[in-house]
Amino acid sequence: QQQVKQSPQSLIVQKGGISIINCAYENTAFDYFPWYQQFPGKGPALLIAIRPDVSEKKEGRFTISFNKSAKQFSLHIMDSQPGDSATYFCAARGGSNYKLTFGKGTLLTVNP
Amino acid sequence: GAGVSQTPSNKVTEKGKYVELRCDPISGHTALYWYRQSLGQGPEFLIYFQGTGAADDSGLPNDRFFAVRPEGSVSTLKIQRTERGDSAVYLCASSSQYNEQFFGPGTRLTVL
Repeated sequence: QQQVKQSPQSLIVQKGGISIINCAYENTAFDYFPWYQQFPGKGPALLIAIRPDVSEKKEGRFTISFNKSAKQFSLHIMDSQPGDSATYFCAARGGSNYKLTFGKGTLLTVNP
Repeated sequence: GAGVSQTPSNKVTEKGKYVELRCDPISGHTALYWYRQSLGQGPEFLIYFQGTGAADDSGLPNDRFFAVRPEGSVSTLKIQRTERGDSAVYLCASSSQYNEQFFGPGTRLTVL
């Protein structure tokens, strides 16, 4: 059972455009939703995270939108840059269970 | 300060052999996690340590996999009788009491 579903699998955006990646979860016990960025040959790096008591969180060009009733959350990258080209993973964690459940990832390519 | 480090960065072994993968967490982090990432997939949880004890080992796929953290710092993931299906990148992460998980660069294991 895939508890966190991520789409699209891949995404191509022009420089300066907006990249949008979506995730949906099933487990209502999840209460922490981070996004990770991974470059080839590197480990995932925490980008931004949100808890369900807010509907949006913004850090620089990165914004998470969260819809608790729909059990969906999304990452928006404004003014996308070639250096943003990487694989992005959404994840979720719930309550006293500290393990992260990841989506399958989105390969983002930003063309110059 | 130094991040999570993992050694070796690459490990090639033959089917049936025993391997050990090492993780050095961020100094002072009490929690340590092991994940496995197959090609084109998100990381999958294996085991979580709080201090020296395994608080959750529900992700270990079978009894060929074992992990230890004897002094509450460095951890070793041990795989007996390796199989070709064990080939993946093994990621280690650590966290403080604030629970953001910081990942190491991973060990790429190839079983021939």
